[in-house]
Order: sequence, then structure tokens, then C-alpha cells
Amino acid sequence: SYVLTQPPSVSVAPGQTARITCGGNNIGSKSVHWYQQKPGQAPVLVVYDDSDRPSGIPERFSGSNSGNTATLTISRVEAGDEADYYCQVWDSSSDHQVFGGGTKLTVL
Amino acid sequence: QVQLVESGGGLVKPGGSLRLSCAASGFTFSDYYMSWIRQAPGKGLEWVSYISSSGSTIYYADSVKGRFTISRDNAKNSLYLQMNSLRAEDTAVYYCARSVSSGYSDYWGQGTLVTVSS
Repeated sequence: SYVLTQPPSVSVAPGQTARITCGGNNIGSKSVHWYQQKPGQAPVLVVYDDSDRPSGIPERFSGSNSGNTATLTISRVEAGDEADYYCQVWDSSSDHQVFGGGTKLTVL
Repeated sequence: QVQLVESGGGLVKPGGSLRLSCAASGFTFSDYYMSWIRQAPGKGLEWVSYISSSGSTIYYADSVKGRFTISRDNAKNSLYLQMNSLRAEDTAVYYCARSVSSGYSDYWGQGTLVTVSS
């Protein structure tokens, strides 16, 4: 089955740029989606179809996808961005929704 | 506004059964695919099952296939998950989520906790 690999943790100072990667075999051929989950809360979609943002999500959140790596970029990081972030794809070969293991973003 | 409210979670013994429900409002339920996604304590997200808008297409994760059954009642704006032969590893918060054809889930409920323990 298709596997998505994320770094367990990323740390960044306030005001800097955070980049969270999601690796998968030829992931560039798939649509990648990203979710933010704060402690005790349900996940929230922050980027869909590689780089689109749902309404209400700040422009600071952006996404890209090419080759074997997709990236969620958070510009001008704020303390409120501290959360777990998950990438996700639909694997059409197995008809499964696949999530990455998640990355904990720490704002220093 | 879109609302998804799960219910039916609780404590159940290994081998037991439980039925989860998800009440949807704020959108045309019959137009959307729906999913169940779970999260074990302290762990990441795990997709469980997916049902098309009409209910004609259903998919399951390998870990629950043959034990869990997803269904929906479009007249009642409700999604269900019948869980049988429950195991300790099924212990998790179960989320109901609205899904779209390209495979992402744009709205999630707050989740219901299922604990499988003797």
C-alpha cells in the first residue's frame, strides 16, 4: 500500500518560515492535502489539491508538490500555528485514503 | 454552517459491537461522499471507511474490512458505522468527515471515543 513519510517534528522561531515535507513514491502525480490539528481538537483542512486554500485559511499557508516530495510552507509563523500537521492523498490503486504519520510543529 | 455530530461511542469489551452515528446539517448531505477516520490515543490519523453520496460505492481500510460496515441514510442526513468483533487496537476517537471526489475531507466532526477493554 502507498506510504507517506513525514518528519516527526519541525521547530521554527516566530516570524520565520516553516516547511513540512511529505514523501511518497511519485507523489507529484497525486493530489496532496494537508490538515492542522491542535490538541484536543478535530483536524482542519488547510491546503487541498496540492496548493489551494479553503476559505478562512490565511495566505501564510501554502503548498507545493513535485517528484517524490510535497511541502507545506507556513510563512511568518505565529505561536498559534503550533500543532500537528498531516499530509494525505487518495491512493487510487487501493481505493484508500492515506495519511502521513504527522509532524509536530513547535514554535520556539 | 456545516455541522457534523458523532454519537454512540463508549466502553465495550473485546469481541463486542458498537454502532456510531453522525448527524449532518448545514449542507445537502446527499450530494457528498462521507468518511470515518480514527485516531488512537497519542497517535496519528487513520482512515477507516468511505461511502459515496448514493451509498453505492464503499471502501474500507484493511484493518477493519469484514468487521466494520459503513452506511448512510440520506433521508435522515445521517452516517453510520457498525463495528463488530472489536479489538483493543480499535480504541480511538472516531471522526465523521465530509469528503469530496478528489479524496480530501473538508469538514470534520468533533469525534466520539471508542474504548475497547475488558
